[in-house]
Amino acid sequence: GAVVSQHPSRVICKSGTSVKIECRSLDFQATTMFWYRQFPKQSLMLMATSNEGSKATYEQGVEKDKFLINHASLTLSTLTVTSAHPEDSSFYICSAIGHSEQYFGPGTRLTVT
Amino acid sequence: RKEVEQDPGPFNVPEGATVAFNCTYSNSASQSFFWYRQDCRKEPKLLMSVYSSGNEDGRFTAQLNRASQYISLLIRDSKLSDSATYLCVVNPLGDYKLSFGAGTTVTVRA
Repeated sequence: GAVVSQHPSRVICKSGTSVKIECRSLDFQATTMFWYRQFPKQSLMLMATSNEGSKATYEQGVEKDKFLINHASLTLSTLTVTSAHPEDSSFYICSAIGHSEQYFGPGTRLTVT
Repeated sequence: RKEVEQDPGPFNVPEGATVAFNCTYSNSASQSFFWYRQDCRKEPKLLMSVYSSGNEDGRFTAQLNRASQYISLLIRDSKLSDSATYLCVVNPLGDYKLSFGAGTTVTVRA
């Protein structure tokens, strides 16, 4: 089946630094990818829709200047958490649309100290 | 009100038992419905789609009640490997933007 990868799988960074997370569709092209965030014992929450070749669209309450999304190719979207703070510590999961189905990446666990 | 609400559980059941749980959704115009499974610290994986007439996939049976806006999942003959968190997922607009419930935790014991 279709595969979506994320890198890194886990990252620890200091408060105030920026972290980039990559999401790749490995065997299909994805014009649309989604970024979700999941806090412990909570539901996945959609953060933004990443569109290849155009600006991302953000869900209400998600700061676009803090969570920078770039979808520069049909197989790669990146999420950069800028000036990370401890409250940004979470499980970030991307998904990609391919063959009319949605495939999830394995997630990136971010811990901000 | 949350878009998708689930009983968090946990449901602790012995191997071989039947376990069932529901979720409710708020948007009556929602178009598609799913159950996903999420293991600890992993990504969600599609278990099954839920169709209006109800559908079965092996030991798993899903039902949709549009009038009452709830979805159910029943697991028969539970296996240890069924231990996981089950996420009720709704696609309100049919545009792949999914709304997830917080999950129902099921633990199957030997």
